[in-house]
Amino acid sequence: GDSVTQMEGPVTLSEEAFLTINCTYTATGYPSLFWYVQYPGEGLQLLLKATKADDKGSNKGFEATYRKETTSFHLEKGSVQVSDSAVYFCALSSAGFQKLVFGTGTRLLVSP
Amino acid sequence: ETGVTQTPRHLVMGMTNKKSLKCEQHLGHNAMYWYKQSAKKPLELMFVYSLEERVENNSVPSRFSPECPNSSHLFLHLHTLQPEDSALYLCASSQETGGTEAFFGQGTRLTVV
Repeated sequence: GDSVTQMEGPVTLSEEAFLTINCTYTATGYPSLFWYVQYPGEGLQLLLKATKADDKGSNKGFEATYRKETTSFHLEKGSVQVSDSAVYFCALSSAGFQKLVFGTGTRLLVSP
Repeated sequence: ETGVTQTPRHLVMGMTNKKSLKCEQHLGHNAMYWYKQSAKKPLELMFVYSLEERVENNSVPSRFSPECPNSSHLFLHLHTLQPEDSALYLCASSQETGGTEAFFGQGTRLTVV
């Protein structure tokens, strides 16, 4: 079945450091790919998405590119802030019916 | 404001109690979901409703009983739960077309004592 694999956390960075959180997937067909973020005590919020190969999703300084050849959707940000501290989830949905498959989540801790 | 509202935000219940979680969406979506989020585990999809019909039940124990009276409301009825059922229960909604995202509520933090 479809699956998503994320790097283990926590990821600990200093403010203004470069962020990469790796995500790879296994799916039949051509899924859409998402990054969701969960701040403490909150539900999940969509951060960005890409619906086809080579698409780049971006939002709030975060970016991820849909790489079909490597089945990856790595999340990047050039300069993280303390307010970016949260848990980040990579997810996919198969075409035809909206059913999200999530990775285990990666906790990001940014210190001043 | 996510457009998906869950109540209550926190719930403590005994193993013999009966309680219900409520989810409401005003986004005009036609699919709704219950997820369970436990510590150190991936999000687990529990139930999926499409156009008010249950289309998926991921081997969830019968002590969890969903209800979808209309496209805007979703309930999760709970009875005789176990301590290991303590978790964050998340509701989500989406349009039933490929490629569109799901919108999540803030969740109900459930503690079973």
